[in-house]
Amino acid sequence: AQKVTQAQTEISVVEKEDVTLDCVYETRDTTYYLFWYKQPPSGELVFLIRRNSFDEQNEISGRYSWNFQKSTSSFNFTITASQVVDSAVYFCALRIEGPGNTGKLIFGQGTTLQVKP
Amino acid sequence: DAGVTQSPTHLIKTRGQQVTLRCSPKSGHDTVSWYQQALGQGPQFIFQYYEEEERQRGNFPDRFSGHQFPNYSSELNVNALLLGDSALYLCASSLIRPTATDTQYFGPGTRLTVL
Repeated sequence: AQKVTQAQTEISVVEKEDVTLDCVYETRDTTYYLFWYKQPPSGELVFLIRRNSFDEQNEISGRYSWNFQKSTSSFNFTITASQVVDSAVYFCALRIEGPGNTGKLIFGQGTTLQVKP
Repeated sequence: DAGVTQSPTHLIKTRGQQVTLRCSPKSGHDTVSWYQQALGQGPQFIFQYYEEEERQRGNFPDRFSGHQFPNYSSELNVNALLLGDSALYLCASSLIRPTATDTQYFGPGTRLTVL
């Protein structure tokens, strides 16, 4: 069975601090994608990044960076120099590829990030 | 470029009633997926529609049904509402490609409250 675990329910930091959100996934499939979405209070899930299972290269986009390690089945997300606007719920998600799989996303429980001024 | 839109924004129903939620996909997308997000939880996959047919379904009862129209828009219907159906219902659209599935982009959701 596939599963995504975000062990951190809530994180609170002060503005300009760095923060890492953890994501651990479970699957026996070899071909899959991992995602991070941001959900602000408005409710809409905002796509942040997609990474496939064959690409373990870390990625940086501005203040955001992602660390993908297949050896530990983790796909962690770091925000550098956090800002109040980063306050939101962040979801990690898994999508299995292959016959019979149509793109269904399996989400973790989410991590609520509060950045205080 | 219009994003995913959903209507209505909020809805209040009573137990036993039926509800229809609507979704218009992002311009250029042909696939619609529906998710249920209970308070404090991650979204749970309900089903996905492509070419007006249900392609995959999550662990939801038959009370949950859907439809996709020729213009790719979609409806989610829930019959015999239960208190536990209270949730944010999210619609996501994507584009099916021959070799890979595209990223799903989400709408703002419909908040359903069942009293």
